[in-house]
Amino acid sequence: AQSVTQLGSHVSVSEGALVLLRCNYSSSVPPYLFWYVQYPNQGLQLLLKYTSAATLVKGINGFEAEFKKSETSFHLTKPSAHMSDAAEYFCAVSDAGTASKLTFGTGTRLQVTL
Amino acid sequence: DGGITQSPKYLFRKEGQNVTLSCEQNLNHDAMYWYRQDPGQGLRLIYYSQIVNDFQKGDIAEGYSVSREKKESFPLTVTSAQKNPTAFYLCASSPRWGELPGNTIYFGEGSWLTVV
Repeated sequence: AQSVTQLGSHVSVSEGALVLLRCNYSSSVPPYLFWYVQYPNQGLQLLLKYTSAATLVKGINGFEAEFKKSETSFHLTKPSAHMSDAAEYFCAVSDAGTASKLTFGTGTRLQVTL
Repeated sequence: DGGITQSPKYLFRKEGQNVTLSCEQNLNHDAMYWYRQDPGQGLRLIYYSQIVNDFQKGDIAEGYSVSREKKESFPLTVTSAQKNPTAFYLCASSPRWGELPGNTIYFGEGSWLTVV
């Protein structure tokens, strides 16, 4: 069974600092990987997705993630945090054969301070 | 505007009552999903529907029921058999069911259900 581990339920960074949110996956077959963002009391919005094309994936709002098969990781980064980035971030995985069923991590809440 | 509409946003239910959450999409998507979100547990799949008139149980289907009589609608009923129904419920849809790389899952704004 596939699974996703997000290290750190809460991450705090200063405005302008690097954002790094960690995600490791476990999948028996080549996966599809996703990062979603959730603002308070709202649904999830897709930030970016990896579907076996380029290993460095660029998403919306200046975020990007790199698929590293050797490390089974798909960490999310942004060079410079903005106050509007404060939200909860979810990593999700699906098997390439069943890309419509996502398994989510437990989420990381990002706090951005002045 | 195209999107997924969930209603109501907030709902209170007495113990022992059934309640139905509405989900409507005008994206012409074949597949629809219901997820439950609890603090610190991420999202868990309740039911999904690959196409109209079809649906399957997800990982936590006990105490829930769904129907898919129309392509655009996928209501979720939380029955009295659900032991801990208080949660945030998210409806989602995707263009089709399958392994296509472009098959992104889109989410609605969610519904809060509280049992009092």
